[in-house]
Amino acid sequence: QKEVEQDPGPLSVPEGAIVSLNCTYSNSAFQYFMWYRQYSRKGPELLMYTYSSGNKEDGRFTAQVDKSSKYISLFIRDSQPSDSATYLCAIGGGADGLTFGKGTHLIIQP
Amino acid sequence: SQTIHQWPATLVQPVGSPLSLECTVEGTSNPNLYWYRQAAGRGLQLLFYSVGIGQISSEVPQNLSASRPQDRQFILSSKKLLLSDSGFYLCAWGGGQTLSGANVLTFGAGSRLTVL
Repeated sequence: QKEVEQDPGPLSVPEGAIVSLNCTYSNSAFQYFMWYRQYSRKGPELLMYTYSSGNKEDGRFTAQVDKSSKYISLFIRDSQPSDSATYLCAIGGGADGLTFGKGTHLIIQP
Repeated sequence: SQTIHQWPATLVQPVGSPLSLECTVEGTSNPNLYWYRQAAGRGLQLLFYSVGIGQISSEVPQNLSASRPQDRQFILSSKKLLLSDSGFYLCAWGGGQTLSGANVLTFGAGSRLTVL
């Protein structure tokens, strides 16, 4: 059964802080791991994806996957007020679509 | 470049009325197409997906149906809406656009449905 657990928050941090967002999943067969960002009343947009254990960096964002623990993380460095949004982890990658976590609502305080 | 269009953006419908939401994709051929629903506190729930014209897979038994009359067109319908059908409906397309083969999904702007 596909399940992805994600703390819905809200998570409130001061501007400039390092943010850590996390998800756990139950099915070890999953191959691809993604993070989406969704602003209020908008569609989700892809931030990053990875398919192996380890880290992947893109600017201020780092995605981390630990397949042995079934744990995925997104780190945001030097957080900005414009980073305030809901962050959704997603796993899967086959033609049958992605399974999403419920999303974490992030608030960056100026 | 590929774009995805979804309409209407917002609608308010009475219980028992029909529904039709439409989604089209431009700039790609034979995409995988998806309908998700996002309800408050429940995250994104996959409703239907399609890997080709006329091929529809349903993930959740419900009051809704989907059709794919053309390669890049995906329609979500209902004959009689229920209060529980309220939510934010998102269309997405995918199809191996990454080197690793991951089926990354690109979402439309969404259709917000309120059933009264």
